[in-house]
This record gives sequence, C-alpha cells and structure tokens, in this order.
Amino acid sequence: DAGVTQSPTHLIKTRGQQVTLRCSPKSGHDTVSWYQQALGQGPQFIFQYYEEEERQRGNFPDRFSGHQFPNYSSELNVNALLLGDSALYLCASSVSRQGWDTEAFFGQGTRLTVV
Amino acid sequence: ELKVEQNPLFLSMQEGKNYTIYCNYSTTSDRLYWYRQDPGKSLESLFVLLSNGAVKQEGRLMASLDTKARLSTLHITAAVHDLSATYFCAVTEYNNNDMRFGAGTRLTVKP
Repeated sequence: DAGVTQSPTHLIKTRGQQVTLRCSPKSGHDTVSWYQQALGQGPQFIFQYYEEEERQRGNFPDRFSGHQFPNYSSELNVNALLLGDSALYLCASSVSRQGWDTEAFFGQGTRLTVV
Repeated sequence: ELKVEQNPLFLSMQEGKNYTIYCNYSTTSDRLYWYRQDPGKSLESLFVLLSNGAVKQEGRLMASLDTKARLSTLHITAAVHDLSATYFCAVTEYNNNDMRFGAGTRLTVKP
C-alpha cells in the first residue's frame, strides 16, 4: 500500500501565478482533506472533498479551490499566488462515516515557495 | 470557535529525563490525536484517543485524555535523542471534519 501520495514534492512559483497540487489517497479511502502549514505553525484546514464535492471548508479565500475525481484523487488549486501562500501543503485521506470519519493519514506534503 | 492550545511550545530535555506536554481544547469533543513531525516531513500519527480516560502507550510515549477537563497529555519517559521532533495535538468535533491543530511543541533531547 503506497499510502497517501502527493505531487510535486517541491514547487517554486511567482506572485500572481496559479498552481495545482495533486493527491492520491490511501487505498480504500474515499475522503480527502487539504491543510496548509506555514513555517513554525500547526496545519490549518483548507477544505475536504467527499463524493466529488466540497463537503466542508475552512477559513480560506476563494483563491483556493479544489476538485475530487471519481477515483478519489484530488487537486488543490491556488490562483493569484501571494507571498503568504508559501507553505507546506498537506493532503490527508480517510474513510467517511456518519459523525466521525476514520483516522486521517497524511501525505508527505508539497513545499510551495512563492517568490 | 474551537481552540487548541499546547504547552510548552519549546522543550529542551536531557536524555533519560521525563516530561509532559499538555494540550487544552475548548470543545466537548472526545476525539483527540497526537502527531509527530520531523523537520521538512509530514505528520506521523502517534495516538488516537477516543473517549474520556483513554490511555495509550507506545515505547517511551504515553498519551491520556480527560474530556471533562478538556485536557490531553503526552508523557515522555526516559527521553532519547531519537524523540527530538515537533509534536502536535489535534481535535475534531462530532460531524465536523475540520481537524484543529495546536501550535506544536518543538522537543529537543540533548545527550
């Protein structure tokens, strides 16, 4: 089992550009969550996708959008990049349950640097 | 709004010593997680605590949960250098998929 895989591992973009990050969930998982982790801070919830729809969203602007595909993989898109978007972006997968999802497993992350 | 507070934020210990990291949260949630993160790496799940009074141990680490006090502790016994990392606690609420993390405790174990 490959676990949760993310690509690319590192990325450098210029302010104003757009970026797409990708995530493949752990086998058997149907739910994907995205987190932003700024340097020296804890991860912050961006949004979660289930059944190809955004199920819940954290306190992030509309510049952050996502998608989930029928095979449960997911993309995170960020438009009009700002310097403050530089962070480690983590993807986590889980299995959706009524009330409580199962334990989330995290990918290795994508380090995004905006210059 | 759900808040999660960890302390201390920085911890420097000698090998062989014991210490405890504290995690306070503001919800009535009874599901709490502890993760370890090495520099530049992802989050490694350590413990999932599901109910009041839960205690779990793995090697030199032991985690406990007191839902009435809204407090979880991560106790380190006889620390070794390999435990040097940042430790995060995180909380989820029922029917809420927003996992809230504490700011993390950066642990350094010195020989």
